Amino acid sequence: QKEVEQDPGPLSVPEGAIVSLNCTYSNSAFQYFMWYRQYSRKGPELLMYTYSSGNKEDGRFTAQVDKSSKYISLFIRDSQPSDSATYLCAMSDTSYDKVIFGPGTSLSVIP
Amino acid sequence: GAVVSQHPSWVICKSGTSVKIECRSLDFQATTMFWYRQFPKQSLMLMATSNEGSKATYEQGVEKDKFLINHASLTLSTLTVTSAHPEDSSFYICSAHTRELKLFFGSGTQLSVL
Repeated sequence: QKEVEQDPGPLSVPEGAIVSLNCTYSNSAFQYFMWYRQYSRKGPELLMYTYSSGNKEDGRFTAQVDKSSKYISLFIRDSQPSDSATYLCAMSDTSYDKVIFGPGTSLSVIP
Repeated sequence: GAVVSQHPSWVICKSGTSVKIECRSLDFQATTMFWYRQFPKQSLMLMATSNEGSKATYEQGVEKDKFLINHASLTLSTLTVTSAHPEDSSFYICSAHTRELKLFFGSGTQLSVL
């Protein structure tokens, strides 16, 4: 079993839709959870960062962490064509020696 | 957010030559930086952890003599691909984390070896 699993997609939605992106993990030592957005041939951009269970909102983005189920989600409201990218979940334990990434979900928002 | 600068963005070189990629943390000090390789439509593959003032830690299967890492200061790490060959062509990305443990990435370097 991989440490972090993520549906690779591709996921295609119409503009304005709510997008739900998800990751599951197996290591209960993970305490820090992140979501990154990566455009083609660019470095990943940090979107959300959290270290506790529950929801964290930033504009159109909401990150949700459920440590008991080892499940994290990223919700995008009112999706825009500019949101079309690959979304990577990432997580780390408290040592932060290594950050583990999911394989990424490719998202296309159709105008 | 914090800024990590990576240079160059693109490099084309002949087979057998060496290429150096720089990664700088512009507004924070980074005792540790990370180097990744990414193939098209695949996720990031950690190559090595760069430690300021000491030797880098390489992941299994990564040739340390092929991919030389130097972390001479708290704001600069370099990756040198030595005697590059076409199979080394890839997208290389660096990252560094702040004291708040947020990980930021450089913009990446596309290496093409002819």
